[in-house]
Amino acid sequence: QQPVQSPQAVILREGEDAVINCSSSKALYSVHWYRQKHGEAPVFLMILLKGGEQKGHDKISASFNEKKQQSSLYLTASQLSYSGTYFCGTINNAGNMLTFGGGTRLMVKP
Amino acid sequence: KAGVTQTPRYLIKTRGQQVTLSCSPISGHRSVSWYQQTPGQGLQFLFEYFSETQRNKGNFPGRFSGRQFSNSRSEMNVSTLELGDSALYLCASSLRQLTDTGELFFGEGSRLTVL
Repeated sequence: QQPVQSPQAVILREGEDAVINCSSSKALYSVHWYRQKHGEAPVFLMILLKGGEQKGHDKISASFNEKKQQSSLYLTASQLSYSGTYFCGTINNAGNMLTFGGGTRLMVKP
Repeated sequence: KAGVTQTPRYLIKTRGQQVTLSCSPISGHRSVSWYQQTPGQGLQFLFEYFSETQRNKGNFPGRFSGRQFSNSRSEMNVSTLELGDSALYLCASSLRQLTDTGELFFGEGSRLTVL
């Protein structure tokens, strides 16, 4: 079953922060985050394993709440280059496939 | 190092025809997975191949099939094309199997239009 992402779209000004959420109805083993710019291939951001670990990548970080089967992606002091569609992908404890959410469109304006 | 290469990049077919798409993974990567991307359904997992064996399969009809060769290159085939098969087909390679939390490297995709 597909994880649910929220919000579906967000518009920011440069320098503002944003949070993208990813929720699953199934117990998760791992959460993956990717960003896709228009007309380009998705690019890996980070993977979080169950255990509530928080990871960071420049000014983009993420957390994984195993009990709630939820992950959040935090974009701090957004830059124009952050614009794109963000996808979370989940692997559940049965571990048989990677299922992506519907995506969150992020637009950062000057 | 060369990235994931998909061919052809664009193709147009008519209903009932079949199509074969090719994916060359990054050198040394043994896992290749395929995804269908459409505006309405997002990114949907088709299947994964690792060391020439299909490891996992998504919820797609049997018209969608694939294979992987000994050099890790992969092909996917869609037979009896339907209008709803129009999509961007993305291939991704990884050092490890998906379930081993491998980071995916995506190709730019093959855009299929079915008329």
